[in-house]
Amino acid sequence: EAGVTQFPSHSVIEKGQTVTLRCDPISGHDNLYWYRRVMGKEIKFLLHFVKESKQDESGMPNNRFLAERTGGTYSTLKVQPAELEDSGVYFCASKGATYEQYFGPGTRLTVT
Amino acid sequence: KNEVEQSPQNLTAQEGEFITINCSYSVGISALHWLQQHPGGGIVSLFMLSSGKKKHGRLIATINIQEKHSSLHITASHPRDSAVYICAVRSDPRGSNYKLTFGKGTLLTVNP
Repeated sequence: EAGVTQFPSHSVIEKGQTVTLRCDPISGHDNLYWYRRVMGKEIKFLLHFVKESKQDESGMPNNRFLAERTGGTYSTLKVQPAELEDSGVYFCASKGATYEQYFGPGTRLTVT
Repeated sequence: KNEVEQSPQNLTAQEGEFITINCSYSVGISALHWLQQHPGGGIVSLFMLSSGKKKHGRLIATINIQEKHSSLHITASHPRDSAVYICAVRSDPRGSNYKLTFGKGTLLTVNP
């Protein structure tokens, strides 16, 4: 069974540019989560999809962040326009019927 | 103050030593997770606890719900145990979200 994959693994962009991160969950997992770790801080929840619906987006920092999960399969997280404080590692996790969340390898975003 | 506090932040040990990492939380929880992240690697779930104690190989996790405290123990530590160990709690009252709140992690280095 393939695990959670994320693309790209690393992205370096300039302030004001747009970046789109992608997460492919484990096939059949309805639940998909986005998390973010900013340097020196703990990992924080961003949002949770159940299939294509946003169950909870209370962790999204502001309206520069847009997450989608069309068709309930892969998800994208777009940052537009990117700011310096958006730098960090963005993790995606998926969950099936059990309690366990399976994490992807993360995307390291650097905004310069 | 973070809802989930881990100690120590950094821990260096000699191969073979017994290791304890602590996690305290300030919210009511329905489950607590211990996660592991190797340098440059993804996040792997080690344990999910809602009460008592669990053991997997050389790893033991305990939780005291009344004291809001959990410990992760590693017996006969080995250099390959070197990683960041992260405590995360599930505290959503509705029972359907399963978003996690994370500690900052403990960086463990085991020297040969």
